[in-house]
Amino acid sequence: KAGVTQTPRYLIKTRGQQVTLSCSPISGHRSVSWYQQTPGQGLQFLFEYFSETQRNKGNFPGRFSGRQFSNSRSEMNVSTLELGDSALYLCASSYAPVMRGAVNEQFFGPGTRLTVL
Amino acid sequence: GIQVEQSPPDLILQEGANSTLRCNFSDSVNNLQWFHQNPWGQLINLFYIPSGTKQNGRLSATTVATERYSLLYISSSQTTDSGVYFCAVGTSNYQLIWGAGTKLIIKP
Repeated sequence: KAGVTQTPRYLIKTRGQQVTLSCSPISGHRSVSWYQQTPGQGLQFLFEYFSETQRNKGNFPGRFSGRQFSNSRSEMNVSTLELGDSALYLCASSYAPVMRGAVNEQFFGPGTRLTVL
Repeated sequence: GIQVEQSPPDLILQEGANSTLRCNFSDSVNNLQWFHQNPWGQLINLFYIPSGTKQNGRLSATTVATERYSLLYISSSQTTDSGVYFCAVGTSNYQLIWGAGTKLIIKP
């Protein structure tokens, strides 16, 4: 079974631009989560999607948004890029949990490394 | 919110040595995972272990949910074990909360 795929793997943008990152989950996984990893803040939760609905969002400004499609693929968008948005963006997929709010085992893609100049 | 603390932050060992990494969490959780992050940033699943003990080759993990800690054991370390080990716990709102990681360096 193919793993989680993320595209592109590397991106270089300048301040003020916007960027869209893509994530394809493992076949059969309907929950997709996004995380940001920086040296200073570590790994932080961005948002989680299931069945095209955002069920939770982390403490990030409105410039960070996402969506999920009917085939469970997900995209995240960052508008008006700032230098501090430089980070590794990781996508994870999992089977949707039976219990409300629960987190099943998550499997991660290779990440997209975004550099903002 | 839930706090996740990992110790030690850094660990340097000789090849062949054994090690124990610890993860403490401040509240009850429904998920606990251990990951190894390789130099290219890929997070590799080691264990999904909300409670109990699991073993996979030279690695094993134990989670004592009632006492809110988990341990990752690495035996007979190899240089390829080097990297950062993360503990992450699942909360009641679909997200993982992460520890700061343990950076492990195995010297030949």
